[in-house]
Amino acid sequence: AQKVTQAQTEISVVEKEDVTLDCVYETRDTTYYLFWYKQPPSGELVFLIRRNSFDEQNEISGRYSWNFQKSTSSFNFTITASQVVDSAVYFCALRSYNFNKFYFGSGTKLNVKP
Amino acid sequence: DGGITQSPKYLFRKEGQNVTLSCEQNLNHDAMYWYRQDPGQGLRLIYYSQIVNDFQKGDIAEGYSVSREKKESFPLTVTSAQKNPTAFYLCASSTGGGEKLFFGSGTQLSVL
Repeated sequence: AQKVTQAQTEISVVEKEDVTLDCVYETRDTTYYLFWYKQPPSGELVFLIRRNSFDEQNEISGRYSWNFQKSTSSFNFTITASQVVDSAVYFCALRSYNFNKFYFGSGTKLNVKP
Repeated sequence: DGGITQSPKYLFRKEGQNVTLSCEQNLNHDAMYWYRQDPGQGLRLIYYSQIVNDFQKGDIAEGYSVSREKKESFPLTVTSAQKNPTAFYLCASSTGGGEKLFFGSGTQLSVL
């Protein structure tokens, strides 16, 4: 079975704090893809990153970084020096290589206060 | 600019009424999806289509129907059999092969 768990329902931080959003996934597939999306108040989901199961290298993009660990089935997302504009709901998602279906976690709502 | 257009942005349904949500894409994507979003529950898959004239049920297909007569269009009908239709509905598309999903801006459906 495919499953994505985002245990943090809501997180509140003060601007400039670092924050990590957790994502744990379950799959029996050896090849799969992991994604993070951001949903601002406008509602449209914005793609942030895709990682395939063969690539465990961590990635950094500006203030964003991602830590992928197959040993713990986790794909965590860290925002460094958070800003008010980072306030949104963040979703982690899993897609099997063999099936064109995406499985989403329940999302983590991030509130960044000035 | 290429993208996904959902309409209307807001929709109201009366008891016993069927309503149709529109989703059009000009990205030349083969695969299209409908998701339902309820507060605190994330995105749940209603239907998806990997190619024209073919579609599969997702996890919560009961009370919904779709068609895929054209590559660009994947309309979702919320039938009167769906007893709790109030939710935010998101349409998405993908090229397949592990590529990301592109999303529309969503339709908020409410019951009068």
